[in-house]
Amino acid sequence: DVKVTQSSRYLVKRTGEKVFLECVQDMDHENMFWYRQDPGLGLRLIYFSYDVKMKEKGDIPEGYSVSREKKERFSLILESASTNQTSMYLCASSPSKGGTGELFFGEGSRLTVL
Amino acid sequence: RKEVEQDPGPFNVPEGATVAFNCTYSNSASQSFFWYRQDCRKEPKLLMSVYSSGNEDGRFTAQLNRASQYISLLIRDSMLSDSATYLCVVNPMNFGNEKLTFGTGTRLTIIP
Repeated sequence: DVKVTQSSRYLVKRTGEKVFLECVQDMDHENMFWYRQDPGLGLRLIYFSYDVKMKEKGDIPEGYSVSREKKERFSLILESASTNQTSMYLCASSPSKGGTGELFFGEGSRLTVL
Repeated sequence: RKEVEQDPGPFNVPEGATVAFNCTYSNSASQSFFWYRQDCRKEPKLLMSVYSSGNEDGRFTAQLNRASQYISLLIRDSMLSDSATYLCVVNPMNFGNEKLTFGTGTRLTIIP
């Protein structure tokens, strides 16, 4: 089974802190994604990556950056956390070839910024 | 107009009943379509893909109407374990480029 692991299930940070959310997948998938999910807004794509050291902005990249130094790991960085970044963050992966279009999600990281 | 629109519900349905959800999408060039299921406080998981010819998986039937740009999900003989939020998902690109667009979800509660 595909496993996508997010490093922290729950985090509480203060405004202005730098926050790292880590995601690791064990199925050698080329594609990795970071979404945030908010009530009434659904899942919105922050950043995605189709290969190592490659990144592309999603629909809401402002206030975020990402890093993909290794194929299995995709990190989301909040340089200076703000209260409007309180949300559920979901990492996902998928293969670029032979896939069915399915995304495999991690369990999510619930971030609260005070 | 939102790219993917769903009725948020909640739908409260008695056990054993049939329930149907619709979802509309705005990009007529969209390539592939899916229904995901998300349990409370859990991650979304693929329920089924939606093919042009329609497809069935047990009690679940999905249909696509490209002309009217909507997708439907029908659940027959509903069970308590069907209680979840159902997310309509659209991919404007080909497989291998899963930049999916998610609807906000339809919440379903099956009542004993």
